[in-house]
Amino acid sequence: DTEVTQTPKHLVMGMTNKKSLKCEQHMGHRAMYWYKQKAKKPPELMFVYSYEKLSINESVPSRFSPECPNSSLLNLHLHALQPEDSALYLCASSHRGGAFYEQYFGPGTRLTVT
Amino acid sequence: AQSVTQLDSQVPVFEEAPVELRCNYSSSVSVYLFWYVQYPNQGLQLLLKYLSGSTLVESINGFEAEFNKSQTSFHLRKPSVHISDTAEYFCAVSSNTGNQFYFGTGTSLTVIP
Repeated sequence: DTEVTQTPKHLVMGMTNKKSLKCEQHMGHRAMYWYKQKAKKPPELMFVYSYEKLSINESVPSRFSPECPNSSLLNLHLHALQPEDSALYLCASSHRGGAFYEQYFGPGTRLTVT
Repeated sequence: AQSVTQLDSQVPVFEEAPVELRCNYSSSVSVYLFWYVQYPNQGLQLLLKYLSGSTLVESINGFEAEFNKSQTSFHLRKPSVHISDTAEYFCAVSSNTGNQFYFGTGTSLTVIP
């Protein structure tokens, strides 16, 4: 199984809503990532979890809150978002913790903030 | 520090013609190199990778890339493109210690019937 799954595929939320994005992998990977991608741009790294611990936070606003309940799951909790946060949110995983190496991406969640 | 440069933001090419998407990197350490493809409204898929060994790497759908250390390049090539190859292509580099990872700005490949 070389798949990273993400739910939901699409999400529309108001600026006062609270929602969560979910990511799951069953490849035994020990590093998981959240990226934000705007149209026609490369993904921008947001967070890295290594061995289920947050290892990198790229100065992301606190309205984004990551969580790694176990080695297979990664969540991104959203609260009080702004319209400029509308983007494709990608989850990725890689084999070794503490290192990027090759990453496998999920299909993404298309988020629209109204 | 590392960086990745994809000079061509858009590459139009006719169906069945060859194509080369250019990628250059700068790094003071040894690197791993990757090409990712993103089809419209989808996530990124790992197309091919160079970690070590043979400098020519191939994907299952006919793409190949060659690691050229002296020219610090990892260009992507395909001898004959198909309509289905229309996508965004991202080159990426990781330090061989794995603690840094950078994407290039992407090249939009459009295959014209």
